[in-house]
Amino acid sequence: GDSVTQMEGPVTLSEEAFLTINCTYTATGYPSLFWYVQYPGEGLQLLLKATKADDKGSNKGFEATYRKETTSFHLEKGSVQVSDSAVYFCALSDRRMGANYGGSQGNLIFGKGTKLSVKP
Amino acid sequence: DAGVIQSPRHEVTEMGQEVTLRCKPISGHDYLFWYRQTMMRGLELLIYFNNNVPIDDSGMPEDRFSAKMPNASFSTLKIQPSEPRDSAVYFCASRPGQGNDQPQHFGDGTRLSIL
Repeated sequence: GDSVTQMEGPVTLSEEAFLTINCTYTATGYPSLFWYVQYPGEGLQLLLKATKADDKGSNKGFEATYRKETTSFHLEKGSVQVSDSAVYFCALSDRRMGANYGGSQGNLIFGKGTKLSVKP
Repeated sequence: DAGVIQSPRHEVTEMGQEVTLRCKPISGHDYLFWYRQTMMRGLELLIYFNNNVPIDDSGMPEDRFSAKMPNASFSTLKIQPSEPRDSAVYFCASRPGQGNDQPQHFGDGTRLSIL
């Protein structure tokens, strides 16, 4: 079945350091890919998305490029801030061509999350 | 616009009691999802609805769990009887329409503690 694998944390960085959180996926269809962020005590928020190969999603200085050849969607930021401390989730939403997959279409499959701590 | 609204934010109760969690999705969203988050198992999909109809409840852990969506603006997740292992954060999410490029919007969750 479809799955998402992301690097285990926790990741601890100093302010202004470069961030990479690796995410790879397996999918039998044509997935859209997402990064969600969860701040302490809050729900998940969409950070960015990409819906087809070679698309780059970006938001708040974060970027991720949909790489079909390596089935990856790594999250990057050039200079992290203390306020970026959170848990980051990679997710995919599968799209099947042809037959109507009805209710299974568009469900999110999440990675286990990577906790990022940024120190001043 | 108001986001997904969940209540209560925190619930502490003794085992054996009935627990009801509530969710108001974003207006106009056709899909509603219930998730459970724990340290051990991460984020798990319990059940989801499309146009108020339950589509897939294969993630519901056992018969003690039930979910309803009586109308487009309200859903409940009920646990009866509750057990300590049900302690978790429960999230509700909603999203619009068909297609896999629509993101889900999450509420702030209900932190449930069963003593």
